[in-house]
Amino acid sequence: EDKVVQSPLSLVVHEGDTVTLNCSYEVTNFRSLLWYKQEKKAPTFLFMLTSSGIEKKSGRLSSILDKKELFSILNITATQTGDSAVYLCAVLVGSNYKLTFGKGTLLTVNP
Amino acid sequence: SQTIHQWPATLVQPVGSPLSLECTVEGTSNPNLYWYRQAAGRGLQLLFYSVGIGQISSEVPQNLSASRPQDRQFILSSKKLLLSDSGFYLCAWSEGADSNQPQHFGDGTRLSIL
Repeated sequence: EDKVVQSPLSLVVHEGDTVTLNCSYEVTNFRSLLWYKQEKKAPTFLFMLTSSGIEKKSGRLSSILDKKELFSILNITATQTGDSAVYLCAVLVGSNYKLTFGKGTLLTVNP
Repeated sequence: SQTIHQWPATLVQPVGSPLSLECTVEGTSNPNLYWYRQAAGRGLQLLFYSVGIGQISSEVPQNLSASRPQDRQFILSSKKLLLSDSGFYLCAWSEGADSNQPQHFGDGTRLSIL
């Protein structure tokens, strides 16, 4: 059975801190790994990673994939209160269009 | 640009009643469409996906069904709701030509069964 595990499950930081969120996976026929941010409603797409070692960056957020060790990290630098959300990691597997999600990391950024 | 609409936003239904949730996508043709459920304390679980009109694949056995009567319309239904059907239902789409594409989500329907 495909498995995606995120850690920590929750995290509380102060504005300006840097955080690292972790995602490990055990799947058959890996295609890509995706990160989403979920506030109150829809998860919004952040990054899609297909190749090992290539960092994707968007503003203060960055992510990298290690296909040998089967994990990914999402970094957020200079955190702001608006970064407070659940961050979801998901793995796209095979040709059946299936995304398997982790349970998410709840990030709370205090002023 | 592409947009996805999902309604209603919230729904309270009695046990045993029927269900119909609708999702439509604009700004793209022949998208892949998905229904997910997010239960409290659990990750998003894929329920159904569709690669074309009338083509539905089910991921888990359950009390629900899905239909795709038009290219950009996806409907989630039940004839008789159970208490365990409560949860947050999300519709998503991705580009149809290549399955290795990110999925984009609607705002979701929060379903409570009484």
